[in-house]
Amino acid sequence: AAGVIQSPRHLIKEKRETATLKCYPIPRHDTVYWYQQGPGQDPQFLISFYEKMQSDKGSIPDRFSAQQFSDYHSELNMSSLELGDSALYFCASSPAGTGVGEQFFGPGTRLTVL
Amino acid sequence: SQQGEEDPQALSIQEGENATMNCSYKTSINNLQWYRQNSGRGLVHLILIRSNEREKHSGRLRVTLDTSKKSSSLLITASRAADTASYFCATDWGLGGTSYGKLTFGQGTILTVHP
Repeated sequence: AAGVIQSPRHLIKEKRETATLKCYPIPRHDTVYWYQQGPGQDPQFLISFYEKMQSDKGSIPDRFSAQQFSDYHSELNMSSLELGDSALYFCASSPAGTGVGEQFFGPGTRLTVL
Repeated sequence: SQQGEEDPQALSIQEGENATMNCSYKTSINNLQWYRQNSGRGLVHLILIRSNEREKHSGRLRVTLDTSKKSSSLLITASRAADTASYFCATDWGLGGTSYGKLTFGQGTILTVHP
């Protein structure tokens, strides 16, 4: 079965650079969630999209922005990177029409900011 | 916040023993889910229990939910070395059956199963 695809899997950037993370949800899933997991931490919700509209927002810095495109893939744009942005970034998708249920997580993008 | 807490933070057992992890949360939930994460990798969904359910089984997993105490437990029976991972509970909270969708994770339990 198709899973959530994230690219790139690893990314190394310098401070103050920008990064773009991509997420391709499972086919027919119209809701995408982004989470950030720092070293030794639990995942923290950043932002979500349903039918290409932002549906919820968590602890996402103003330096970050995201959108969901017409094919339902999503991109997380991160600017003015800081050392503290080094983390695993997960994307998850769900068929929101069911309202409540399991989220399917991608393998994550490991971002290292030097 | 809706932040969940898990205990123990770390659990070390021998193969064949049972492992029990607990999770507490603070507000109303629609469901509680357990996820597994191997070191630095993706999150794998294990089991979901809805707020109107008290117990659920899936293979060697047994989950209980006590909404009056706002707590849940995950029991892994007959553990194997391959069960070594971090285990997170996550709550999907909302009111009156309305889901807000986003998951709030607990701090996780690191389980080590020695062969």
